[in-house]
Amino acid sequence: GAGVSQSPRYKVAKRGQDVALRCDPISGHVSLFWYQQALGQGPEFLTYFQNEAQLDKSGLPSDRFFAERPEGSVSTLKIQPSEPRDSAVYFCASSYEIPLAGGTDTQYFGPGTRLTVL
Amino acid sequence: AQRVTQPEKLLSVFKGAPVELKCNYSYSGSPELFWYVQYSRQRLQLLLRHISRESIKGFTADLNKGETSFHLKKPFAQEEDSAMYYCALSGRFGNNRLAFGKGNQVVVIP
Repeated sequence: GAGVSQSPRYKVAKRGQDVALRCDPISGHVSLFWYQQALGQGPEFLTYFQNEAQLDKSGLPSDRFFAERPEGSVSTLKIQPSEPRDSAVYFCASSYEIPLAGGTDTQYFGPGTRLTVL
Repeated sequence: AQRVTQPEKLLSVFKGAPVELKCNYSYSGSPELFWYVQYSRQRLQLLLRHISRESIKGFTADLNKGETSFHLKKPFAQEEDSAMYYCALSGRFGNNRLAFGKGNQVVVIP
């Protein structure tokens, strides 16, 4: 079946513009994660959804970042307004099971959106 | 706090030579450790995890709790192993989010 998809794949924005990044997880996947990867770094956690509930947003760097998953499937990460320091690749990942204390279900990653803010 | 350290940024090896990517972690508890790989123009994908104790594409990794390490090894590198490799940790965060190291770029020289 189809994997996790993200759109757009590339986005160039001017400082101050609002940006919206979309993630389509694998159908039926309960958990959805957003990660940010700056140049030369590993991905860093931003936020987590279990179905439509945003249960952890501790990784969001500022209140300019906002994420939603209103119907428990598609998710949108918004940056309002964007700044040059937000330039990075943004990954979405989804997994099937609700996480349990005893183990971790495999996260499947999307191709990422490369955001450049000028 | 949880932290994953991958000390070497770039590793060049000849085809057929052994490969070892080092990963050390700090975490107060019982973490789950992973290696993810990203081939050129492909998405990040799981290579292996310590719980499954599998060998994938000839790679193995053993969790050493005493040394807090999870080094990735392969006895004979192949050209198709050229990729970016990330060590990652998941703990009892409540949501299984991953904490990644900075990654290792592996280049296998024919």
